[in-house]
Amino acid sequence: QLQLQESGSGLVKPSQTLSLTCDVSGGSISSGGYSWNWIRQPPGKDLEWIGYIYQSGNTYYNPSLKSRVTMSVDRSKNKVSLNLSSVTAADTAVYYCARGAAEAGTYWFDPWGQGTLVTVSS
Amino acid sequence: SYELTQPPSVSVSPGQTASITCSGDKLGDKYVSWYQQRPGQSPLLVIYQDNKRPSGIPERFSGSNSGNTATLTISGTQPMDEADYYCQAWDSGKVVFGGGTKLTVL
Repeated sequence: QLQLQESGSGLVKPSQTLSLTCDVSGGSISSGGYSWNWIRQPPGKDLEWIGYIYQSGNTYYNPSLKSRVTMSVDRSKNKVSLNLSSVTAADTAVYYCARGAAEAGTYWFDPWGQGTLVTVSS
Repeated sequence: SYELTQPPSVSVSPGQTASITCSGDKLGDKYVSWYQQRPGQSPLLVIYQDNKRPSGIPERFSGSNSGNTATLTISGTQPMDEADYYCQAWDSGKVVFGGGTKLTVL
């Protein structure tokens, strides 16, 4: 059974870079043609998709965050990473890693990691 | 940008049918997925491609999509179904989520 586990800095100062890692177990990042996505949820608020990366390294970022986002993949370690630069308090959220599947104009996420809370504060 | 609109809350009695709607311009021309999020947990896919259930999701969960509205239907609602539900679609290469609906079973 595929499992995703997020980890990284829980507290980040304003203007610094948020860095998170998603460890994938129970399956290979390189198999199946899936994408690997980051999605965040500010406390008590809605879900916001950040972007995806394929095992090939191809990425697509949400235009609203594109200038600050970088994703990477490490196939040897079966993990994906997220960097979000120049953070502000508005970036405080639970960050989720999720596998994405695309087919015939549709896109869905399954499974999701448990999420990790990142707080931006001085 | 494309927007999906959900009612903030829906209430249902145990054993009854709950319907949660998701509205968007010509949404019926797109595919919709639905996620369940219980308090303190990560989202769980319950419906994809409008009406398909992933393995392990009970048959009481079903979905439909036509016109400008997609609907998640929970038949014989159980107390364990109390959660937030989010719809999601794909538009112009971008993922869009609805604002979520809190389902209360009382």
